[in-house]
Amino acid sequence: RKEVEQDPGPFNVPEGATVAFNCTYSNSASQSFFWYRQDCRKEPKLLMSVYSSGNEDGRFTAQLNRASQYISLLIRDSKLSDSATYLCVVNEAHKLVFGAGTILRVKS
Amino acid sequence: EAGVAQSPRYKIIEKRQSVAFWCNPISGHATLYWYQQILGQGPKLLIQFQNNGVVDDSQLPKDRFSAERLKGVDSTLKIQPAKLEDSAVYLCASSLVGAPDGYTFGSGTRLTVV
Repeated sequence: RKEVEQDPGPFNVPEGATVAFNCTYSNSASQSFFWYRQDCRKEPKLLMSVYSSGNEDGRFTAQLNRASQYISLLIRDSKLSDSATYLCVVNEAHKLVFGAGTILRVKS
Repeated sequence: EAGVAQSPRYKIIEKRQSVAFWCNPISGHATLYWYQQILGQGPKLLIQFQNNGVVDDSQLPKDRFSAERLKGVDSTLKIQPAKLEDSAVYLCASSLVGAPDGYTFGSGTRLTVV
């Protein structure tokens, strides 16, 4: 079983749509959680941290369910510029373990 | 604040040749990581340094890959001899100890082995 599993997509959505990505992780001792965004041929960049209480940053909302070992990312009012790969990331013993990513394509 | 610097950006070599990549982390970041990202996959950790000591190199193919971080700042990653399956982007990242806020990645070195 992979340590961090994501649906690879691609998710093809129209502008203005709401889209949700899910992720599961295998290590119940994982300490912290993140979503990274990676544009084509670029390095991953931190999008947001994920907290147990849930957190929101503009159009982006992240949720963590420790009991189910499940992380989600919700993007509201999708923009063309949101097109990218979204990587679910788990901090295990002070190193980050990455999922394979979910591809999002937003179309006009 | 200057970011993580990597060079070269691109490298094409023939199989069985050797290659080296260089990384300069963000100033003050004690922890440095080398990741390998194969097309269509997420980054996979190769080696983690804290200052100039190795913390985790369990996924480093030690028969052909080596890395060092002399003086606890810059780092080099070497592959010798290269194989076709080593074609990937090699990403260097740095963080504060424990990575409480995630990492900052460099722009990577895209290696093609032909």
